[in-house]
Amino acid sequence: GENVEQHPSTLSVQEGDSAVIKCTYSDSASNYFPWYKQELGKGPQLIIDIRSNVGEKKDQRIAVTLNKTAKHFSLHITETQPEDSAVYFCAANGKSNFGNEKLTFGTGTRLTIIP
Amino acid sequence: DAGITQSPRYKITETGRQVTLMCHQTWSHSYMFWYRQDLGHGLRLIYYSAAADITDKGEVPDGYVVSRSKTENFPLTLESATRSQTSVYFCASIGGIGAAFFGQGTRLTVV
Repeated sequence: GENVEQHPSTLSVQEGDSAVIKCTYSDSASNYFPWYKQELGKGPQLIIDIRSNVGEKKDQRIAVTLNKTAKHFSLHITETQPEDSAVYFCAANGKSNFGNEKLTFGTGTRLTIIP
Repeated sequence: DAGITQSPRYKITETGRQVTLMCHQTWSHSYMFWYRQDLGHGLRLIYYSAAADITDKGEVPDGYVVSRSKTENFPLTLESATRSQTSVYFCASIGGIGAAFFGQGTRLTVV
């Protein structure tokens, strides 16, 4: 099945600087790659996603890049703010007995923004 | 309220007891999932479902049972709770575009 690796596990950046989180996946058939943000005591929330037919997607201060050949994708957060502090998860879809809706998650990155 | 809700939010149970975690979604999404979240492991898939009465095992299914008699409900049962099942449990559903929406989680402690 799909295997997703995520690095780093913790990341501290100065407010206003950029943060980059990287993930690799194993299943070349994966075609959907979402990123989730989890704040303390809450469930993960989707912040951005990308499909395999594009190489980059942006939404204000966040962007995701995808390299299908190398099987890796990255989350970029620019002009970081204190409210960006959270745990971030990457995921990739994979084949199930019913289709390809099964999401496999990375182990998470705890991002801390230093004021 | 529209969305996906889990109950209870917190639960303490004793080893060997049966406990059921509830999940309800109002979108009529076909796919539903149960994950457990443990430090260092991220989110691991326990069971998932493609529709009512269609379920399958995920990565860590041992000790858990699911059912889905109605599209909107997907309960997770621990038949005989063990301390290793102490965790935070998340239910999720997937809409047509592939994005998963998560509930607020249930923090389960087995003593």
